[in-house]
Amino acid sequence: DGGITQSPKYLFRKEGQNVTLSCEQNLNHDAMYWYRQDPGQGLRLIYYSQIVNDFQKGDIAEGYSVSREKKESFPLTVTSAQKNPTAFYLCASSILSTRYGYTFGSGTRLTVV
Amino acid sequence: KNEVEQSPQNLTAQEGEFITINCSYSVGISALHWLQQHPGGGIVSLFMLSSGKKKHGRLIATINIQEKHSSLHITASHPRDSAVYICAGGGGADGLTFGKGTHLIIQP
Repeated sequence: DGGITQSPKYLFRKEGQNVTLSCEQNLNHDAMYWYRQDPGQGLRLIYYSQIVNDFQKGDIAEGYSVSREKKESFPLTVTSAQKNPTAFYLCASSILSTRYGYTFGSGTRLTVV
Repeated sequence: KNEVEQSPQNLTAQEGEFITINCSYSVGISALHWLQQHPGGGIVSLFMLSSGKKKHGRLIATINIQEKHSSLHITASHPRDSAVYICAGGGGADGLTFGKGTHLIIQP
Protein backbone atom coordinates (compact mmCIF):
# COMPACT_ATOMS: atom_id res chain seq x y z
CA ASP A 1 0.00 0.00 0.00
CA GLY A 2 1.20 3.50 -0.79
CA GLY A 3 1.42 6.07 1.91
CA ILE A 4 3.54 8.33 4.09
CA THR A 5 5.68 6.98 6.89
CA GLN A 6 6.74 9.27 9.69
CA SER A 7 9.12 8.10 12.35
CA PRO A 8 9.38 7.97 15.22
CA LYS A 9 5.86 8.43 16.59
CA TYR A 10 7.16 9.87 19.87
CA LEU A 11 10.50 11.59 20.38
CA PHE A 12 12.10 13.05 23.47
CA ARG A 13 15.14 15.30 23.36
CA LYS A 14 17.08 17.47 25.73
CA GLU A 15 17.00 21.20 25.26
CA GLY A 16 19.78 22.42 22.99
CA GLN A 17 20.01 19.27 20.89
CA ASN A 18 19.17 19.13 17.23
CA VAL A 19 16.72 16.40 16.21
CA THR A 20 15.70 15.07 12.80
CA LEU A 21 12.20 13.82 12.00
CA SER A 22 11.81 11.38 9.15
CA CYS A 23 9.16 11.49 6.41
CA GLU A 24 9.09 8.99 3.55
CA GLN A 25 6.43 8.56 0.87
CA ASN A 26 6.01 5.90 -1.81
CA LEU A 27 3.18 7.63 -3.65
CA ASN A 28 5.41 9.28 -6.27
CA HIS A 29 4.03 12.63 -5.15
CA ASP A 30 5.89 15.70 -6.32
CA ALA A 31 5.30 17.98 -3.34
CA MET A 32 5.97 17.37 0.32
CA TYR A 33 5.13 19.51 3.34
CA TRP A 34 5.92 19.83 7.02
CA TYR A 35 3.31 21.23 9.39
CA ARG A 36 3.39 21.96 13.09
CA GLN A 37 0.37 21.61 15.37
CA ASP A 38 0.06 23.22 18.80
CA PRO A 39 -2.90 22.83 21.18
CA GLY A 40 -5.79 25.08 20.19
CA GLN A 41 -4.15 26.14 16.93
CA GLY A 42 -4.50 25.07 13.36
CA LEU A 43 -1.69 23.32 11.55
CA ARG A 44 0.96 25.78 10.38
CA LEU A 45 3.30 25.32 7.45
CA ILE A 46 7.01 25.03 8.26
CA TYR A 47 8.59 24.12 4.92
CA TYR A 48 7.50 22.67 1.61
CA SER A 49 9.20 21.23 -1.44
CA GLN A 50 7.84 20.87 -4.94
CA ILE A 51 10.84 19.17 -6.55
CA VAL A 52 14.04 17.43 -5.54
CA ASN A 53 16.81 19.71 -4.29
CA ASP A 54 14.46 22.64 -3.88
CA PHE A 55 12.36 23.78 -0.93
CA GLN A 56 10.59 26.89 0.30
CA LYS A 57 10.00 28.40 3.73
CA GLY A 58 6.52 28.34 5.09
CA ASP A 59 4.98 30.57 7.74
CA ILE A 60 7.09 29.40 10.68
CA ALA A 61 10.42 28.24 9.24
CA GLU A 62 12.69 29.85 11.85
CA GLY A 63 14.64 27.26 13.81
CA TYR A 64 13.97 24.47 11.32
CA SER A 65 15.83 23.07 8.32
CA VAL A 66 14.95 20.54 5.63
CA SER A 67 16.48 18.69 2.70
CA ARG A 68 15.00 17.03 -0.37
CA GLU A 69 17.74 14.85 -1.85
CA LYS A 70 15.28 12.20 -3.03
CA LYS A 71 11.71 12.54 -4.26
CA GLU A 72 10.42 10.15 -1.62
CA SER A 73 12.14 11.68 1.40
CA PHE A 74 11.76 15.06 3.15
CA PRO A 75 13.42 15.04 6.60
CA LEU A 76 12.90 17.93 9.02
CA THR A 77 15.57 19.01 11.48
CA VAL A 78 14.48 20.89 14.56
CA THR A 79 17.51 22.91 15.58
CA SER A 80 18.48 24.33 18.94
CA ALA A 81 17.50 27.74 17.54
CA GLN A 82 13.81 26.79 17.65
CA LYS A 83 12.56 28.51 20.80
CA ASN A 84 9.62 26.25 21.54
CA PRO A 85 10.11 22.94 19.73
CA THR A 86 7.68 20.81 21.74
CA ALA A 87 4.78 20.14 19.35
CA PHE A 88 3.12 17.63 17.04
CA TYR A 89 4.73 17.52 13.59
CA LEU A 90 2.87 16.31 10.54
CA CYS A 91 4.23 15.50 7.10
CA ALA A 92 2.06 15.56 3.98
CA SER A 93 2.46 15.07 0.26
CA SER A 94 0.47 16.01 -2.80
CA ILE A 95 0.25 15.58 -6.55
CA LEU A 96 1.26 18.86 -8.13
CA SER A 97 -0.42 18.17 -11.43
CA THR A 98 -3.94 17.99 -9.98
CA ARG A 99 -3.25 20.27 -7.00
CA TYR A 100 -5.95 18.50 -5.08
CA GLY A 101 -4.70 15.20 -3.68
CA TYR A 102 -3.13 15.35 -0.25
CA THR A 103 -1.97 12.44 1.89
CA PHE A 104 -0.95 12.86 5.51
CA GLY A 105 1.41 10.94 7.72
CA SER A 106 0.58 9.79 11.24
CA GLY A 107 2.73 12.47 12.84
CA THR A 108 5.60 12.72 15.31
CA ARG A 109 5.10 14.12 18.78
CA LEU A 110 8.30 15.84 19.88
CA THR A 111 8.88 16.68 23.52
CA VAL A 112 11.91 18.71 24.51
CA VAL A 113 12.84 18.57 28.17
CA LYS B 1 -3.60 35.33 2.94
CA ASN B 2 -6.44 32.88 3.35
CA GLU B 3 -8.13 32.65 6.73
CA VAL B 4 -10.14 29.59 7.65
CA GLU B 5 -12.67 29.73 10.48
CA GLN B 6 -14.49 26.74 11.92
CA SER B 7 -17.48 26.51 14.22
CA PRO B 8 -18.19 25.25 16.73
CA GLN B 9 -14.82 24.70 18.42
CA ASN B 10 -16.29 21.99 20.66
CA LEU B 11 -19.40 19.89 20.18
CA THR B 12 -20.85 17.18 22.43
CA ALA B 13 -23.87 15.25 21.21
CA GLN B 14 -25.78 12.08 21.91
CA GLU B 15 -25.48 9.00 19.75
CA GLY B 16 -27.83 9.17 16.79
CA GLU B 17 -27.93 12.94 16.51
CA PHE B 18 -27.37 14.79 13.25
CA ILE B 19 -24.10 16.75 13.42
CA THR B 20 -23.13 19.87 11.47
CA ILE B 21 -19.72 21.51 11.49
CA ASN B 22 -19.21 24.76 9.60
CA CYS B 23 -16.22 26.26 7.84
CA SER B 24 -15.76 29.71 6.31
CA TYR B 25 -12.79 30.97 4.35
CA SER B 26 -11.76 34.45 3.36
CA VAL B 27 -10.36 34.21 -0.16
CA GLY B 28 -11.04 32.11 -3.20
CA ILE B 29 -9.58 28.62 -3.08
CA SER B 30 -9.10 25.81 -5.55
CA ALA B 31 -10.35 23.16 -3.13
CA LEU B 32 -11.71 22.75 0.39
CA HIS B 33 -10.63 19.74 2.42
CA TRP B 34 -12.29 18.06 5.37
CA LEU B 35 -9.96 16.03 7.55
CA GLN B 36 -10.38 13.82 10.60
CA GLN B 37 -7.83 13.61 13.38
CA HIS B 38 -8.08 10.89 16.02
CA PRO B 39 -6.47 11.05 19.48
CA GLY B 40 -3.30 9.38 18.22
CA GLY B 41 -2.76 12.42 16.01
CA GLY B 42 -2.75 10.95 12.53
CA ILE B 43 -4.92 12.73 9.98
CA VAL B 44 -7.23 11.11 7.46
CA SER B 45 -8.56 12.98 4.46
CA LEU B 46 -12.37 12.71 4.35
CA PHE B 47 -13.36 14.94 1.46
CA MET B 48 -11.93 17.29 -1.09
CA LEU B 49 -14.47 19.69 -2.61
CA SER B 50 -14.35 22.32 -5.26
CA SER B 51 -18.11 22.58 -5.78
CA GLY B 52 -21.43 21.04 -4.79
CA LYS B 53 -21.77 18.11 -2.45
CA LYS B 54 -20.07 14.80 -1.69
CA LYS B 55 -21.28 11.85 0.36
CA HIS B 56 -19.40 8.94 1.87
CA GLY B 57 -21.35 6.64 4.12
CA ARG B 58 -22.85 8.76 6.91
CA LEU B 59 -20.69 11.76 6.08
CA ILE B 60 -21.83 14.54 3.76
CA ALA B 61 -19.82 17.60 2.77
CA THR B 62 -21.17 20.64 0.95
CA ILE B 63 -19.58 23.80 -0.33
CA ASN B 64 -20.98 27.14 -1.48
CA ILE B 65 -18.28 28.87 -3.50
CA GLN B 66 -20.10 32.22 -3.70
CA GLU B 67 -20.55 32.39 0.07
CA LYS B 68 -17.10 30.88 0.78
CA HIS B 69 -18.67 28.40 3.16
CA SER B 70 -18.60 24.65 3.62
CA SER B 71 -20.35 22.26 5.99
CA LEU B 72 -19.63 18.75 7.15
CA HIS B 73 -22.64 16.70 8.26
CA ILE B 74 -22.69 13.40 10.11
CA THR B 75 -25.95 11.47 10.09
CA ALA B 76 -26.84 8.90 12.78
CA SER B 77 -23.74 9.84 14.78
CA HIS B 78 -21.89 7.15 16.69
CA PRO B 79 -19.27 7.28 19.48
CA ARG B 80 -16.64 6.13 16.98
CA ASP B 81 -17.19 9.44 15.14
CA SER B 82 -15.58 11.22 18.11
CA ALA B 83 -12.54 13.02 16.76
CA VAL B 84 -11.27 16.43 15.74
CA TYR B 85 -12.60 17.53 12.37
CA ILE B 86 -10.50 20.03 10.47
CA CYS B 87 -11.25 22.02 7.37
CA ALA B 88 -8.47 23.33 5.20
CA GLY B 89 -8.44 25.53 2.14
CA GLY B 90 -6.03 25.94 -0.69
CA GLY B 91 -4.64 23.22 -2.86
CA GLY B 92 -1.86 25.10 -4.49
CA ALA B 93 1.68 23.84 -4.42
CA ASP B 94 2.42 25.94 -1.34
CA GLY B 95 0.17 23.90 0.90
CA LEU B 96 -3.09 24.30 2.78
CA THR B 97 -4.43 26.79 5.32
CA PHE B 98 -6.05 24.94 8.20
CA GLY B 99 -8.86 25.80 10.57
CA LYS B 100 -8.31 25.20 14.29
CA GLY B 101 -10.56 22.15 14.27
CA THR B 102 -13.83 21.10 15.87
CA HIS B 103 -13.53 18.70 18.77
CA LEU B 104 -16.52 16.35 18.50
CA ILE B 105 -17.60 13.97 21.25
CA ILE B 106 -20.49 11.58 20.66
CA GLN B 107 -21.82 10.12 23.88
CA PRO B 108 -23.53 6.69 23.93
